[in-house]
Amino acid sequence: DGGITQSPKYLFRKEGQNVTLSCEQNLNHDAMYWYRQDPGQGLRLIYYSQIVNDFQKGDIAEGYSVSREKKESFPLTVTSAQKNPTAFYLCATSPVWGAGANVLTFGAGSRLTVL
Amino acid sequence: LAKTTQPISMDSYEGQEVNITCSHNNIATNDYITWYQQFPSQGPRFIIQGYKTKVTNEVASLFIPADRKSSTLSLPRVSLSDTAVYYCLVGENNYQLIWGAGTKLIIKP
Repeated sequence: DGGITQSPKYLFRKEGQNVTLSCEQNLNHDAMYWYRQDPGQGLRLIYYSQIVNDFQKGDIAEGYSVSREKKESFPLTVTSAQKNPTAFYLCATSPVWGAGANVLTFGAGSRLTVL
Repeated sequence: LAKTTQPISMDSYEGQEVNITCSHNNIATNDYITWYQQFPSQGPRFIIQGYKTKVTNEVASLFIPADRKSSTLSLPRVSLSDTAVYYCLVGENNYQLIWGAGTKLIIKP
Protein backbone atom coordinates (compact mmCIF):
# COMPACT_ATOMS: atom_id res chain seq x y z
CA ASP A 1 0.00 0.00 0.00
CA GLY A 2 1.80 3.07 -1.24
CA GLY A 3 1.57 6.34 0.52
CA ILE A 4 2.70 8.66 3.27
CA THR A 5 2.53 7.75 6.95
CA GLN A 6 2.52 10.49 9.54
CA SER A 7 2.75 9.71 13.22
CA PRO A 8 1.53 10.30 15.77
CA LYS A 9 -1.91 11.44 14.64
CA TYR A 10 -2.43 13.35 17.87
CA LEU A 11 0.26 14.67 20.19
CA PHE A 12 0.15 16.70 23.35
CA ARG A 13 3.13 18.62 24.59
CA LYS A 14 3.95 20.65 27.62
CA GLU A 15 5.47 24.05 27.09
CA GLY A 16 9.24 23.89 26.86
CA GLN A 17 9.37 20.39 25.42
CA ASN A 18 10.66 19.43 22.00
CA VAL A 19 8.59 16.98 20.01
CA THR A 20 9.34 15.11 16.79
CA LEU A 21 6.74 14.33 14.15
CA SER A 22 7.43 11.41 11.85
CA CYS A 23 6.85 11.32 8.10
CA GLU A 24 7.62 8.16 6.11
CA GLN A 25 6.86 7.58 2.43
CA ASN A 26 7.10 4.64 0.05
CA LEU A 27 6.21 6.54 -3.10
CA ASN A 28 9.86 6.82 -4.12
CA HIS A 29 9.45 10.60 -4.36
CA ASP A 30 12.59 12.68 -4.06
CA ALA A 31 10.99 15.82 -2.61
CA MET A 32 9.38 16.06 0.81
CA TYR A 33 7.70 19.01 2.51
CA TRP A 34 6.37 20.04 5.90
CA TYR A 35 3.43 22.40 6.22
CA ARG A 36 1.62 23.94 9.13
CA GLN A 37 -2.12 24.68 9.04
CA ASP A 38 -3.96 26.79 11.59
CA PRO A 39 -7.76 26.72 11.90
CA GLY A 40 -9.51 28.28 8.92
CA GLN A 41 -6.23 29.06 7.22
CA GLY A 42 -4.28 27.79 4.28
CA LEU A 43 -1.05 25.85 4.50
CA ARG A 44 2.29 27.46 5.27
CA LEU A 45 5.58 25.87 4.26
CA ILE A 46 7.99 25.10 7.10
CA TYR A 47 10.80 23.16 5.39
CA TYR A 48 11.33 21.20 2.21
CA SER A 49 13.92 18.78 0.90
CA GLN A 50 14.56 17.80 -2.70
CA ILE A 51 17.34 15.33 -2.07
CA VAL A 52 18.80 13.29 0.76
CA ASN A 53 21.05 15.23 3.15
CA ASP A 54 19.79 18.59 1.90
CA PHE A 55 16.84 20.75 2.94
CA GLN A 56 15.71 24.34 2.65
CA LYS A 57 13.81 26.70 4.93
CA GLY A 58 10.29 27.59 3.98
CA ASP A 59 8.30 30.63 5.00
CA ILE A 60 8.00 29.83 8.73
CA ALA A 61 11.08 27.76 9.66
CA GLU A 62 11.83 29.51 12.96
CA GLY A 63 11.40 27.15 15.90
CA TYR A 64 11.48 24.03 13.73
CA SER A 65 14.20 21.66 12.58
CA VAL A 66 14.34 18.76 10.12
CA SER A 67 16.66 16.07 8.87
CA ARG A 68 16.76 14.05 5.66
CA GLU A 69 19.07 11.11 6.23
CA LYS A 70 17.01 8.71 4.12
CA LYS A 71 14.91 9.22 1.02
CA GLU A 72 11.90 7.71 2.74
CA SER A 73 11.97 9.79 5.92
CA PHE A 74 11.69 13.49 6.75
CA PRO A 75 11.08 14.02 10.50
CA LEU A 76 10.10 17.42 11.86
CA THR A 77 11.12 18.58 15.33
CA VAL A 78 9.06 21.31 16.93
CA THR A 79 11.38 22.96 19.40
CA SER A 80 10.65 24.97 22.52
CA ALA A 81 11.64 28.05 20.51
CA GLN A 82 8.40 27.78 18.52
CA LYS A 83 6.09 30.19 20.33
CA ASN A 84 2.75 28.96 19.05
CA PRO A 85 3.19 25.30 18.11
CA THR A 86 -0.44 24.21 18.44
CA ALA A 87 -1.46 23.41 14.88
CA PHE A 88 -2.16 20.73 12.29
CA TYR A 89 1.06 19.56 10.62
CA LEU A 90 1.07 18.07 7.15
CA CYS A 91 3.81 16.20 5.35
CA ALA A 92 3.79 16.02 1.56
CA THR A 93 5.90 14.52 -1.20
CA SER A 94 6.39 14.95 -4.93
CA PRO A 95 8.73 13.84 -7.66
CA VAL A 96 11.36 16.44 -8.48
CA TRP A 97 11.33 15.83 -12.22
CA GLY A 98 8.96 14.53 -14.83
CA ALA A 99 5.31 13.65 -14.62
CA GLY A 100 3.72 14.68 -11.37
CA ALA A 101 6.52 17.03 -10.34
CA ASN A 102 4.04 19.84 -9.77
CA VAL A 103 1.60 17.73 -7.77
CA LEU A 104 1.80 17.25 -4.02
CA THR A 105 0.71 14.07 -2.26
CA PHE A 106 -0.18 14.63 1.38
CA GLY A 107 -0.19 12.52 4.49
CA ALA A 108 -3.12 12.41 6.91
CA GLY A 109 -1.55 14.96 9.23
CA SER A 110 -0.49 15.22 12.87
CA ARG A 111 -2.34 17.45 15.29
CA LEU A 112 -0.11 18.96 17.96
CA THR A 113 -1.60 20.58 21.05
CA VAL A 114 0.49 22.42 23.61
CA LEU A 115 -0.95 22.20 27.09
CA LEU B 1 5.01 34.74 -6.61
CA ALA B 2 1.45 34.64 -7.81
CA LYS B 3 -1.34 34.97 -5.29
CA THR B 4 -4.84 33.81 -5.92
CA THR B 5 -8.25 35.17 -5.00
CA GLN B 6 -11.24 32.88 -4.65
CA PRO B 7 -14.61 33.13 -2.89
CA ILE B 8 -14.52 32.42 0.82
CA SER B 9 -17.57 30.18 0.65
CA MET B 10 -20.19 28.80 -1.69
CA ASP B 11 -23.16 26.54 -1.35
CA SER B 12 -25.12 24.43 -3.76
CA TYR B 13 -27.43 21.43 -3.90
CA GLU B 14 -26.92 17.80 -4.69
CA GLY B 15 -26.99 17.04 -8.39
CA GLN B 16 -26.05 20.56 -9.45
CA GLU B 17 -22.93 21.61 -11.32
CA VAL B 18 -20.66 23.82 -9.21
CA ASN B 19 -18.19 26.30 -10.66
CA ILE B 20 -15.53 27.91 -8.46
CA THR B 21 -13.60 30.74 -10.06
CA CYS B 22 -10.11 31.76 -9.03
CA SER B 23 -8.37 34.98 -9.96
CA HIS B 24 -4.58 35.04 -10.46
CA ASN B 25 -3.71 38.29 -12.21
CA ASN B 26 0.04 37.97 -11.63
CA ILE B 27 0.45 34.47 -13.02
CA ALA B 28 3.88 33.93 -14.57
CA THR B 29 4.66 32.27 -17.88
CA ASN B 30 5.86 29.00 -16.34
CA ASP B 31 3.19 28.74 -13.64
CA TYR B 32 0.77 25.84 -13.54
CA ILE B 33 -2.72 26.11 -12.05
CA THR B 34 -3.57 23.39 -9.56
CA TRP B 35 -6.66 22.68 -7.48
CA TYR B 36 -6.78 20.67 -4.27
CA GLN B 37 -9.65 19.46 -2.09
CA GLN B 38 -9.42 19.19 1.68
CA PHE B 39 -11.80 17.56 4.15
CA PRO B 40 -11.62 18.48 7.85
CA SER B 41 -8.61 17.02 9.68
CA GLN B 42 -7.22 15.46 6.50
CA GLY B 43 -4.45 16.37 4.10
CA PRO B 44 -5.37 18.10 0.83
CA ARG B 45 -5.97 15.90 -2.18
CA PHE B 46 -5.04 16.79 -5.75
CA ILE B 47 -8.03 17.35 -8.03
CA ILE B 48 -6.79 18.74 -11.32
CA GLN B 49 -4.00 20.74 -12.92
CA GLY B 50 -3.70 22.74 -16.11
CA TYR B 51 -1.63 25.27 -17.96
CA LYS B 52 -4.06 26.64 -20.56
CA THR B 53 -7.40 25.92 -22.23
CA LYS B 54 -9.46 23.10 -20.78
CA VAL B 55 -8.50 20.01 -18.83
CA THR B 56 -10.91 17.26 -17.82
CA ASN B 57 -10.47 14.20 -15.66
CA GLU B 58 -12.82 11.76 -13.99
CA VAL B 59 -13.81 14.14 -11.19
CA ALA B 60 -13.61 17.70 -12.53
CA SER B 61 -12.92 20.08 -15.37
CA LEU B 62 -10.65 23.09 -15.34
CA PHE B 63 -11.28 26.00 -17.66
CA ILE B 64 -8.48 28.49 -18.30
CA PRO B 65 -8.99 31.51 -20.59
CA ALA B 66 -6.32 32.60 -23.03
CA ASP B 67 -4.94 35.32 -20.75
CA ARG B 68 -4.61 32.80 -17.87
CA LYS B 69 -5.54 35.48 -15.31
CA SER B 70 -8.30 33.32 -13.93
CA SER B 71 -9.44 29.73 -13.87
CA THR B 72 -12.67 27.91 -13.10
CA LEU B 73 -12.99 24.55 -11.43
CA SER B 74 -16.16 22.77 -12.49
CA LEU B 75 -17.59 19.92 -10.43
CA PRO B 76 -20.38 18.08 -12.25
CA ARG B 77 -23.40 16.75 -10.37
CA VAL B 78 -22.10 17.32 -6.84
CA SER B 79 -23.06 15.16 -3.89
CA LEU B 80 -22.96 15.73 -0.13
CA SER B 81 -19.49 14.17 -0.05
CA ASP B 82 -18.15 17.06 -2.13
CA THR B 83 -18.55 19.36 0.87
CA ALA B 84 -14.97 20.45 1.51
CA VAL B 85 -12.50 23.31 1.15
CA TYR B 86 -11.11 23.83 -2.35
CA TYR B 87 -7.77 25.52 -2.93
CA CYS B 88 -6.58 27.17 -6.13
CA LEU B 89 -2.80 27.48 -6.46
CA VAL B 90 -0.47 28.82 -9.11
CA GLY B 91 3.25 28.29 -9.32
CA GLU B 92 6.11 26.72 -11.19
CA ASN B 93 7.46 24.75 -8.24
CA ASN B 94 5.71 23.21 -5.26
CA TYR B 95 7.83 25.09 -2.74
CA GLN B 96 6.73 28.43 -4.20
CA LEU B 97 3.01 27.87 -3.76
CA ILE B 98 1.04 30.34 -1.66
CA TRP B 99 -1.94 28.69 0.00
CA GLY B 100 -4.86 30.99 0.72
CA ALA B 101 -7.81 30.07 2.91
CA GLY B 102 -9.57 28.37 -0.03
CA THR B 103 -13.27 28.17 -0.83
CA LYS B 104 -15.49 26.37 1.62
CA LEU B 105 -18.08 24.54 -0.47
CA ILE B 106 -21.20 23.32 1.26
CA ILE B 107 -23.52 20.94 -0.58
CA LYS B 108 -27.08 20.74 0.67
CA PRO B 109 -29.53 17.86 0.18
